[in-house]
Amino acid sequence: IAGITQAPTSQILAAGRRMTLRCTQDMRHNAMYWYRQDLGLGLRLIHYSNTAGTTGKGEVPDGYSVSRANTDDFPLTLASAVPSQTSVYFCASSEAGTSSNEQFFGPGTRLTVL
Amino acid sequence: DAKTTQPNSMESNEEEPVHLPCNHSTISGTDYIHWYRQLPSQGPEYVIHGLTSNVNNRMASLAIAEDRKSSTLILHRATLRDAAVYYCILGSSNTGKLIFGQGTTLQVKP
Repeated sequence: IAGITQAPTSQILAAGRRMTLRCTQDMRHNAMYWYRQDLGLGLRLIHYSNTAGTTGKGEVPDGYSVSRANTDDFPLTLASAVPSQTSVYFCASSEAGTSSNEQFFGPGTRLTVL
Repeated sequence: DAKTTQPNSMESNEEEPVHLPCNHSTISGTDYIHWYRQLPSQGPEYVIHGLTSNVNNRMASLAIAEDRKSSTLILHRATLRDAAVYYCILGSSNTGKLIFGQGTTLQVKP
């Protein structure tokens, strides 16, 4: 059982470049989430999707966009990366978009923007 | 979104029980109390969650105060592998959003 996979594992990116972080789950979960975690801090929600075809904004959505064309995939795009987007990015999924559900997290993508 | 307050760090000895406290005085009646932990260089891992009653699973127990303004995560016998950051989070029943705080860093000494 793969659960949630993220790609790439890590990336160094020049400022101004476009980057898409990939996230795929094989659990047929309806809800998916993107978080960022900065050094020494907890996770902050960027965007979420409660079902395929819908997305919503989290705590820190500026500079990021997402799409949810199907149940399994939830890519996160940085249209023009800036150094403040250097962070570790975690994708997660849950059976439904309610807080009574457990969220399963991927292994993370470490992104450095220079 | 309601907030939680946890101690920054705690220490425990291996094989002893650990009680990790969390205050959430502004919790609403429909907020679930979640606990996740994060081992070094890994994504967060679900531990347990509850609404009003105490909960037990294979990993831990969750004791919820009668007024729901505080809760305690109980690890019955700490092992070295339990060393992690433990997050107490309130989840709104209307959405799946989890608002993470800074958590409690648990050190387990052999």
